[in-house]
Amino acid sequence: IQLTQSPSLLSASVGDRVTLSCKGSQNINNYLAWYQQKLGEAPKLLIYNTNSLQTGIPSRFSGSGSGTDYTLTISSLQPEDVATYFCYQYNNGLTFGSGTKLEIK
Amino acid sequence: EVQLVESGGGLVQPGRSLKLSCAASGFTFSNYGMAWVCQAPTKGLEWVASISTGGGNTYYRDSVKGRFTISRDNAKNTLYLQMDSLRSEDTATYYCARHGSGYWYFDFWGPGTMVTVSS
Repeated sequence: IQLTQSPSLLSASVGDRVTLSCKGSQNINNYLAWYQQKLGEAPKLLIYNTNSLQTGIPSRFSGSGSGTDYTLTISSLQPEDVATYFCYQYNNGLTFGSGTKLEIK
Repeated sequence: EVQLVESGGGLVQPGRSLKLSCAASGFTFSNYGMAWVCQAPTKGLEWVASISTGGGNTYYRDSVKGRFTISRDNAKNTLYLQMDSLRSEDTATYYCARHGSGYWYFDFWGPGTMVTVSS
C-alpha cells in the first residue's frame, strides 16, 4: 500500500487548528499510525489504530479516518509542534508516507 | 522507562558487512516483537525487518532479503541486524523499534545509529 501525505509543507500560526492528510492506495482498515519527528531526533508515536492517543501525548493531537483517507488534527498549534509528521500503515505490508513538514508562520 | 540504544554503525565499503546491536531495557524484552527501520539522509522512513518475540519468525523488505539478517538474544535483551553485501543505497540512520503489543506499529524507538556505505 502506498501512502500519500498532503500537504508536503504546512505553515501555520500558533493557536491554529491544523489538519494533515494521509491517503492510501488501498483500504487501510484503520491500521494507521502517526509519528512526529523533530529535527535530529527519532520518530515518536502520537496516534495508533487511527484514533488511539499514545500515552503521554497531549490531547490537542487527534486522529480520524476510515477506508483510504486519514487525518491528523492538532487542535491548537504550539511552538513545540514544529516537526515532520509521518503516517504509517500496517494493514498490508508496512509502509510510511513521505511526510508533512509543519512550520510556524 | 523503556530504553532502546543502538550501536555498531559506521563507515563501511560497498560489499562489506556490518552488525548492528540494540540494547533494550525498562520492559520485558521477550514479550515484544522488534524491528529495524531506516531513514536515508533527508529522506523518509522505511521498515527494514521485524522479528517475533521468540525469534522464530522474521520478516524483511524485499530490497534486503538475502543480505540482512535480524536476530535477537532474549537472555541479553539485545536485538541485532547483520548487514552483508552492503550497497551505497543502504546508507541511512538505522533505528531499533519496539512493536506495539499485538500490533505492527512501533511504539518506542531508539535514537538511531548511522551507517555509511562508501568507498
